[in-house]
Amino acid sequence: GDSVTQMEGPVTLSEEAFLTINCTYTATGYPSLFWYVQYPGEGLQLLLKATKADDKGSNKGFEATYRKETTSFHLEKGSVQVSDSAVYFCALSDDGNTGKLIFGQGTTLQVKP
Amino acid sequence: DAGVTQSPTHLIKTRGQQVTLRCSPKSGHDTVSWYQQALGQGPQFIFQYYEEEERQRGNFPDRFSGHQFPNYSSELNVNALLLGDSALYLCASSRLAGELFFGEGSRLTVL
Repeated sequence: GDSVTQMEGPVTLSEEAFLTINCTYTATGYPSLFWYVQYPGEGLQLLLKATKADDKGSNKGFEATYRKETTSFHLEKGSVQVSDSAVYFCALSDDGNTGKLIFGQGTTLQVKP
Repeated sequence: DAGVTQSPTHLIKTRGQQVTLRCSPKSGHDTVSWYQQALGQGPQFIFQYYEEEERQRGNFPDRFSGHQFPNYSSELNVNALLLGDSALYLCASSRLAGELFFGEGSRLTVL
């Protein structure tokens, strides 16, 4: 079945460092891809998405490009802040129903001042 | 504008008992999806409700059932609780095929 694999955490960075969180997927069709973020004490929030190959999703300085050839959707940010500390989840939707998502296991990011 | 609200926030049950979790969707949303998130794992899709009917279901046993009411709110019921049912249960609402908005979850502990 379809699946999502994320790099294991926790990831610890200093403020202003460059961030990459790797995400790869397995899917039989042409899924839509998402990054969600969970800040401490809050619900999951959509960070960005891409619906077809070579699309780039971006939001709040974060970017991810849908790479069909490598089945990847890596999350990047050029300069992280302490406020970016959270758990990040990569997810896919394989049938156009964005209510049914397949999530990765999550990657915890801790940014130190 | 209130977002997705879930109740209760925490609860403790014993094996074999039954539990009901509740969800009120964000204003204007008509679709509710439920997820189970075990500790240290990503959420897993349980089922989705639209127009008071179960629209899709994930790989969960029949012990997991749900309901959607005419005001779009929803309940998740779990019967014959097992230790492995201990998890954070997340509700998410949307307009059909739209962006999901998640609640903060109900944390269930089964002893």
